[in-house]
Amino acid sequence: GAVVSQHPSRVICKSGTSVKIECRSLDFQATTMFWYRQFPKKSLMLMATSNEGSKATYEQGVEKDKFLINHASLTLSTLTVTSAHPEDSSFYICSAPDNTDTQYFGPGTRLTVL
Amino acid sequence: GDSVTQMEGPVTLSEEAFLTINCTYTATGYPSLFWYVQYPGEGLQLLLKATKADDKGSNKGFEATYRKETTSFHLEKGSVQVSDSAVYFCALTSNRDDKIIFGKGTRLHILP
Repeated sequence: GAVVSQHPSRVICKSGTSVKIECRSLDFQATTMFWYRQFPKKSLMLMATSNEGSKATYEQGVEKDKFLINHASLTLSTLTVTSAHPEDSSFYICSAPDNTDTQYFGPGTRLTVL
Repeated sequence: GDSVTQMEGPVTLSEEAFLTINCTYTATGYPSLFWYVQYPGEGLQLLLKATKADDKGSNKGFEATYRKETTSFHLEKGSVQVSDSAVYFCALTSNRDDKIIFGKGTRLHILP
């Protein structure tokens, strides 16, 4: 079946540094990918829609200059958390729909900012 | 806007009990409906889906029927196992775009 991968699966960084998270669709092309954030014991929150070849669409309240999204190809989207702070610590998940509109989720990236 | 409402957890059941997790939705048009499961320490996985009214999705003993008249997609299983302990998310995607909208998730604990 369709697979979406994320890298890294876990990252620990110092406050003030930037962290890049990759999301790849391994066996299908995705013109759109989605980035979510999951706080502990809470629901997923959609952060932004990543569009191949154009700017990402951010949800209300999400700082686009802090969470940079680049959808460079039909199989890769990246999320860069710039100048990370401890409150950015969270579980970040991407998803991509295949051509039947079924969403496939990446395994997630756990970010810890010290 | 589109939304999904599912029963709050946690839900605690004994092994072999019958499970129902309620899910209702609000959407324009004809959304596709999904149940996703997140096992401890893992990412979300698609459990089952239904793309049109009266469709029944099923997988691993779980079932859910797309009921347009009641705008519901309740998840059921006749006999749960300890290994079913997880968080279950009801979700929809509208036919206007691919954006997926999740319910808040329901944590299920199955006791041996």
